[in-house]
Amino acid sequence: ETGVTQSPTHLIKTRGQQVTLRCSSQSGHNTVSWYQQALGQGPQFIFQYYREEENGRGNFPPRFSGLQFPNYSSELNVNALELDDSALYLCASSAWARGKLFFGSGTQLSVL
Amino acid sequence: SQQGEEDPQALSIQEGENATMNCSYKTSINNLQWYRQNSGRGLVHLILIRSNEREKHSGRLRVTLDTSKKSSSLLITASRAADTASYFCATDEAAGNKLTFGGGTRVLVKP
Repeated sequence: ETGVTQSPTHLIKTRGQQVTLRCSSQSGHNTVSWYQQALGQGPQFIFQYYREEENGRGNFPPRFSGLQFPNYSSELNVNALELDDSALYLCASSAWARGKLFFGSGTQLSVL
Repeated sequence: SQQGEEDPQALSIQEGENATMNCSYKTSINNLQWYRQNSGRGLVHLILIRSNEREKHSGRLRVTLDTSKKSSSLLITASRAADTASYFCATDEAAGNKLTFGGGTRVLVKP
């Protein structure tokens, strides 16, 4: 079991609403990445935060935004939710450039 | 979009048999990693192989990497029912931990 915790575990929202997902990284890790995993597919990279700055972004629109705090925990915010945003959202922490990611158990988001 | 493609998409074997799955990717990489996922929850890192390595072992796992063919394979020997999971390859192009995952291989090990 990793030291990465995510909350909430499940969430149901309606189209057009906004959502905030939270992640606490493993002790000693200064990098947090967020991934979206649709049912039956592999995770897709949303963005990464390093020392509180966005450090790379995947092919996701600006309504996906994030924050990293001084204690290296992180938030993922999604505005104007769409049905296709329904997915498992995974947070992963790592030490910078060490390769190996430590994943949390994810937040299952359902948009109705 | 996903860089890696895994083959097969699904695999069903008997306990004790070996399981082999393959991954192909499109661009040059710094390293390639394999992860395991149980029941759609968090992923667990299995093994990392760097672009200058050709083979790596970890317990019952053996990973090979052929950069000329842009492909990798994961072999699980003497499989157990507890190995039932989805397995994903992921590439890191620039050692920045921004991974590109494949679509995964779903492995069922029957007791």
